[in-house]
Order: sequence, then C-alpha cells, then structure tokens
Amino acid sequence: SQTIHQWPATLVQPVGSPLSLECTVEGTSNPNLYWYRQAAGRGLQLLFYSVGIGQISSEVPQNLSASRPQDRQFILSSKKLLLSDSGFYLCAWNHEGEVEAFFGQGTRLTVV
Amino acid sequence: QKEVEQDPGPLSVPEGAIVSLNCTYSNSAFQYFMWYRQYSRKGPELLMYTYSSGNKEDGRFTAQVDKSSKYISLFIRDSQPSDSATYLCAIDSFSGGYNKLIFGAGTRLAVHP
Repeated sequence: SQTIHQWPATLVQPVGSPLSLECTVEGTSNPNLYWYRQAAGRGLQLLFYSVGIGQISSEVPQNLSASRPQDRQFILSSKKLLLSDSGFYLCAWNHEGEVEAFFGQGTRLTVV
Repeated sequence: QKEVEQDPGPLSVPEGAIVSLNCTYSNSAFQYFMWYRQYSRKGPELLMYTYSSGNKEDGRFTAQVDKSSKYISLFIRDSQPSDSATYLCAIDSFSGGYNKLIFGAGTRLAVHP
C-alpha cells in the first residue's frame, strides 16, 4: 500500500534561519506531488506542485522554494525564514487524472 | 472573490444532531466537489466526493451539489463525538495534467456528548 512520510512533525526556527522539510512517498511511482500551507482559519493554499523529477511549478510568489531530486521525494526549502512563514505545511500526492489526493501528517512550523 | 468560500465556524452541536456544512464556489466549470475531514494536528483525508450535480450518500454522510447556485453541502446524520474535526470542502480544477485542489477555509465542528 502507498504511504506518505513527512517530517519533522514540529519545528521551531528563528527568523533568518534556513528551512528544509522533506516528504517521501512509498508504494507507488511517478506521483504528482504537492506542498500546501494551512494558516489558522484559512484553507489549504497550494504552494508548489511537481509532475516529475526536476519539474516544479510555483503557485504563489513567496520566500520558499521546492525541489524534487527523486521520483518520490519532495523538499520544501527556504534560505531565510520570515515570521510570516509560520504555518502548517502539508505534503500530498496523487496520480495524474485522479481526483483524490493523499496527505502527509504535516509539519507545524513556528518562526520566532 | 475567492474561488471557494466556507464559513470557518466553529460549530458546536449535541450528539445525535444533524449537521449541515456548506460552501459556495465561483467557477461554474468545476466538476468535482470534495469533502475532506481533518482531525487536529493531522493531514486531511478524503471523506467523499461528487461529480457534477446531485447527491451522494455514504452511511451517515450525504454530499450534495447544486450547480445552479454553486452551492455544495455536507450533511451528517446522528452526529457522534468522533465526528469532531475540521471539514474542508474542495474543488478539483484539473488542468495541465494535474489536479489543483482549491480548498475552503474549513469548518471546525465539535460534537459534544
């Protein structure tokens, strides 16, 4: 069966520090991969999506970047965190043409 | 105008009540309408989805879409404390080979014994 792993679960980082969140998918190949951010009282905002290795599309301009070095690995990064980067970050996957997306357990990032 | 609007609540109901959760959307071209459930500190999970207009029932849950008014609803019958969660409506905008899920803000539901 397919599983999605996301870590860490919780992270507290100072302003100006770098960020690296990792997401891996097991039990499937060539997934579409997504990074979402969820702020309190707001829906999930799509940040990045990837349809293949090295293929990244950004939905909104921001202080973050994403990379996909392997088929089932998706990384969210920042060189210098801002206070406004705080939030709940979720990785998700599905296959092309499928409606349902499967989410990881999320990383709660607090920038202090 | 947001593509999907959802009242964030919170909504508090007694056990056994019928719960009605609602969203509106702006783009009449949307075809797939989903409801995700998210427990505290967890990722969302798909509860059910409907295609185009009509109703879909799954146990105590009924999803309803009214495309003429761009209105989607989720009804929970005989609500249980275990239903306490945040419910997010989502629209599937399929383009460019991927499914871009557009989510509402989520409604936090608390069912108390």
